[in-house]
This record gives sequence, C-alpha cells and structure tokens, in this order.
Amino acid sequence: DSGVTQTPKHLITATGQRVTLRCSPRSGDLSVYWYQQSLDQGLQFLIQYYNGEERAKGNILERFSAQQFPDLHSELNLSSLELGDSALYFCASSVGASGLFTDTQYFGPGTRLTVL
Amino acid sequence: GDSVTQMEGPVTLSEEACLTINCTYTATGYPSLFWYVQYPGEGLQLLLKATKADDKGSNKGFEATYRKETTSFHLEKGSVQVSDSAVYFCALKSNFGNEKLTFGTGTRLTIIP
Repeated sequence: DSGVTQTPKHLITATGQRVTLRCSPRSGDLSVYWYQQSLDQGLQFLIQYYNGEERAKGNILERFSAQQFPDLHSELNLSSLELGDSALYFCASSVGASGLFTDTQYFGPGTRLTVL
Repeated sequence: GDSVTQMEGPVTLSEEACLTINCTYTATGYPSLFWYVQYPGEGLQLLLKATKADDKGSNKGFEATYRKETTSFHLEKGSVQVSDSAVYFCALKSNFGNEKLTFGTGTRLTIIP
C-alpha cells in the first residue's frame, strides 16, 4: 500500500458527460501528479500541483482540468468525454512536509474510466 | 525532449531463468532513473531507482545500474519466480525543473512454472 488513495476505482459513463476523479496523497506529501495510461499512448504525465498551486503541465487536454485543495487532496475533472478518453488515470504524490524534495513518486491504485 | 526506450515484450521465461529487460534513455543532463512494476489489476509500485551515474539500485533480487556512457538502465534478476509476472516500466525524471516522470512503453513479463 503506497498510502495514496484514489476514488472511484471504476467509472463508466457516456460520451459528452463530465466526471471527477479524486486523489488523496500520502500523509505529509505536498505534490500531486496525474498520469493517464492508455493502450495507444502508454503512460503520460498530465499535470502536477504543489501545495495548491499548478506546478507543471504535460499533455493535458483543454477539456481536462485539475485542482488541489487546502487539505492537499486533488481532483481531476474530465468534461465533454470522448471514447478515446477511456483509460486508467493514476495519481501520484511526492515531497515530504519538511520541504525536502525527493525523486520518488508514489502511485495510487488508479481509476479506470470507461466512456461508452 | 526526454524519452525512454524499453525492450518490447511480451517476455516469457521459465521459473529460475535469468532476466534482462533493456532500457535506454535520452535526456539532458543527469536524470534520475526508475523501474516501476505493475501487477495485474494494481497500480504502479516503485521497484528500484538510481539518481547518479554508476549507482546501482536493487530490490527483491532485481538490480539495475545507471550507465551514463551507454545511457542505459537495464533491469536484471538472476532467478525469476512466478510471482514476478507483471508489467515493468522504465522511467526517468529530469533534474532540470520539471518533476514529471517520462515512462517507457512497459514490458509484460510472464513466468511459467
């Protein structure tokens, strides 16, 4: 158990809909990362938040957005869903509360999104 | 940009065989290198890492050495077990600003008894 939790585990929805994925980082970690794992694109970095602020952006579509709340949990919002958005979405966390930076990212179990 | 090239799978081995999964990278400067493992139906787990040239990461009988001259970080294990069946991902993190991980395509390993 990495200490990173993600909900829901599975999500099935229709095209055009909007969903919200939730992530709680390890206790004390300030950074949250979102990744998408799909069959055709592999594992791709979407976005990073550090202590409530957006820190880095990757291949994230404009239809997708994220935020990190004061309690450090993060949400990834996916809207106007398309069939191609079906994927496993992982959250990872790093950086201890002491402010010391670490290279290691700890991953949650993922949310499997199926768009029908 | 940064990239990771990983040995294509799937790989099927008999129990107690030797394993090597090749990984090479392209990056600016001196990235940190990682192997993550994904067991069926689960998330990614860090297997081992190395943060500078000639460092050797090791865990659960797996090893990988950071070779800057060949830009490689091959995963090795001397005697695999059925429980090692999983997908293995090589990844790097650049030490220039962005903290994202760049992953290889993954190698599916199946060990048969």
